[in-house]
Amino acid sequence: GNSVTQMEGPVTLSEEAFLTINCTYTATGYPSLFWYVQYPGEGLQLLLKATKADDKGSNKGFEATYRKETTSFHLEKGSVQVSDSAVYFCALSTGGGNKLTFGTGTQLKVEL
Amino acid sequence: GAVVSQHPSRVICKSGTSVKIECRSLDFQATTMFWYRQFPKQSLMLMATSNEGSKATYEQGVEKDKFLINHASLTLSTLTVTSAHPEDSSFYICSARAPGQETQYFGPGTRLLVL
Repeated sequence: GNSVTQMEGPVTLSEEAFLTINCTYTATGYPSLFWYVQYPGEGLQLLLKATKADDKGSNKGFEATYRKETTSFHLEKGSVQVSDSAVYFCALSTGGGNKLTFGTGTQLKVEL
Repeated sequence: GAVVSQHPSRVICKSGTSVKIECRSLDFQATTMFWYRQFPKQSLMLMATSNEGSKATYEQGVEKDKFLINHASLTLSTLTVTSAHPEDSSFYICSARAPGQETQYFGPGTRLLVL
């Protein structure tokens, strides 16, 4: 079956630090990969996605590259801000997006 | 674009009562909507997939008679928690997907507290 493994949090960084949140997956077929962000008290927002190997998704300074050889989709940002504090979920879908499988989420705290 | 709303955002009810949660796609037609449940500090667990005009498909372990789903139009799906109990307290999130598209767009969630 499909599964997504994320690094455990919380991750605490100082503002302007470099961010990496690891995500690896197991899937049948060729999945699409997603990063969602959940701000406190809100629902999930799509942050970025990649639909095939070597694709790079990017948005708001975040980026992630679909690595088929390592079955990974690590999220990176060069300089985090306090406003980036949230929970980040890695997810995948197969079969035309009919079902999303989520990782457990990684909480990011950015401090001044 | 791609905005999904949920109503109510928060609800408190007494044990044994039923609660209805609405999920609407505001600017697109959603042939498929999904209902998730999220426990504190945990990931989202898919409860059911709802296709407009047909019966919902429930995930294993989800009681279909307890969590009634209706997807009567291309912009509205409802989840009714029947005879709610304290263990049903959770954050319920819906998502919607347009025809031919893969991306799901999520609502802001509904926090249910059953006393």
